[in-house]
Amino acid sequence: DSGVTQTPKHLITATGQRVTLRCSPRSGDLSVYWYQQSLDQGLQFLIQYYNGEERAKGNILERFSAQQFPDLHSELNLSSLELGDSALYFCASSALYNEQFFGPGTRLTVL
Amino acid sequence: QQQVKQSPQSLIVQKGGISIINCAYENTAFDYFPWYQQFPGKGPALLIAIRPDVSEKKEGRFTISFNKSAKQFSLHIMDSQPGDSATYFCAAGLNTGNQFYFGTGTSLTVIP
Repeated sequence: DSGVTQTPKHLITATGQRVTLRCSPRSGDLSVYWYQQSLDQGLQFLIQYYNGEERAKGNILERFSAQQFPDLHSELNLSSLELGDSALYFCASSALYNEQFFGPGTRLTVL
Repeated sequence: QQQVKQSPQSLIVQKGGISIINCAYENTAFDYFPWYQQFPGKGPALLIAIRPDVSEKKEGRFTISFNKSAKQFSLHIMDSQPGDSATYFCAAGLNTGNQFYFGTGTSLTVIP
């Protein structure tokens, strides 16, 4: 158990819908990272937050957004969902540098 | 552009054998190289990591070998066990603490 929690574990929704994925980092970790894992793209970095501020941005679509709250939990919002958005979404947390610890993931299925 | 290239894509090893997975990177600014192990339905778990100031790091049956001049690093799993059957990802990162660039993964199967 990494100490990172993610909810929900599974999510099934329809195209065009909007969903919110939630992540709670390990106690004391200020950084939260979001990754997307699909069969053909591997693990792709989406975005990083550090203590409530956006720190780095990767291959995140404009339809996706994230935020980190004062209690350090983070939410990833996915809107106007398309079939291709079906994937595993992982949250990771770390202290300031390196050693990212991953949560169990949320499996999103868009029908 | 794939920043970290990983091979092989899949690997089958007999129990007790040595599993070797290789990775290569392009960006010489990378200064942190972790390996992650992922079981089906689970998140990646940090296995072992190395920084470029050392050429080898060993933790139990797992060893990272690092060749800075060749920009390559590899994971060796000694005395491979069926419980090691999983997907292994190498990654590279910067000391700024931002994103990791992951390899495409190696599916390891250890046959009893």
